[in-house]
Amino acid sequence: DSGVTQTPKHLITATGQRVTLRCSPRSGDLSVYWYQQSLDQGLQFLIQYYNGEERAKGNILERFSAQQFPDLHSELNLSSLELGDSALYFCASSVGWVGYQETQYFGPGTRLLVL
Amino acid sequence: AQSVTQPDIHITVSEGASLELRCNYSYGATPYLFWYVQSPGQGLQLLLKYFSGDTLVQGIKGFEAEFKRSQSSFNLRKPSVHWSDAAEYFCAVDGGSQGNLIFGKGTKLSVKP
Repeated sequence: DSGVTQTPKHLITATGQRVTLRCSPRSGDLSVYWYQQSLDQGLQFLIQYYNGEERAKGNILERFSAQQFPDLHSELNLSSLELGDSALYFCASSVGWVGYQETQYFGPGTRLLVL
Repeated sequence: AQSVTQPDIHITVSEGASLELRCNYSYGATPYLFWYVQSPGQGLQLLLKYFSGDTLVQGIKGFEAEFKRSQSSFNLRKPSVHWSDAAEYFCAVDGGSQGNLIFGKGTKLSVKP
């Protein structure tokens, strides 16, 4: 158990819908990262927040957004869902941010299926 | 741009045999390197990491990895594989100022009884 929690574990929805994925970082961690894992793209970085502020952005679609709240939990919002958004979404956390000998600890993931 | 290559998509070894999973990286500065393991339906678990110092690093579950700067490699090894080691293994490099990890495509390990 990494100490990072993600809810829900599974999500099934229809195209065009909007969903919210939730992540609680390890106690004491200020950074939260979101990754998407799909069969064709592998593990792709989406976005990072540090202490409530967006710090880095990766291959995140405009239909996707995220935020980190004062209690440091984070939510990833996916809207206008398409079939291709079906994937495993991971949250990870670290004390600071990578580049400074930090280690990211991953949650169990949320498996999203868009029908 | 930084990148990670895991040349082997799928490897099958017999239980009790030794294992080496290959990882090559492309990075301009001194890399911070990681190996993660993902069991079916599970999240990513950190096996080991290299930041600096001794180039041979020990991890959990009896795994070790060796950083070789001259070969831009960070191969993962285990002397004797157990059936429970069957999983997918990911090598990653710290993306530095990008603030994220860059992952290889993964190597799926199957273990024969």
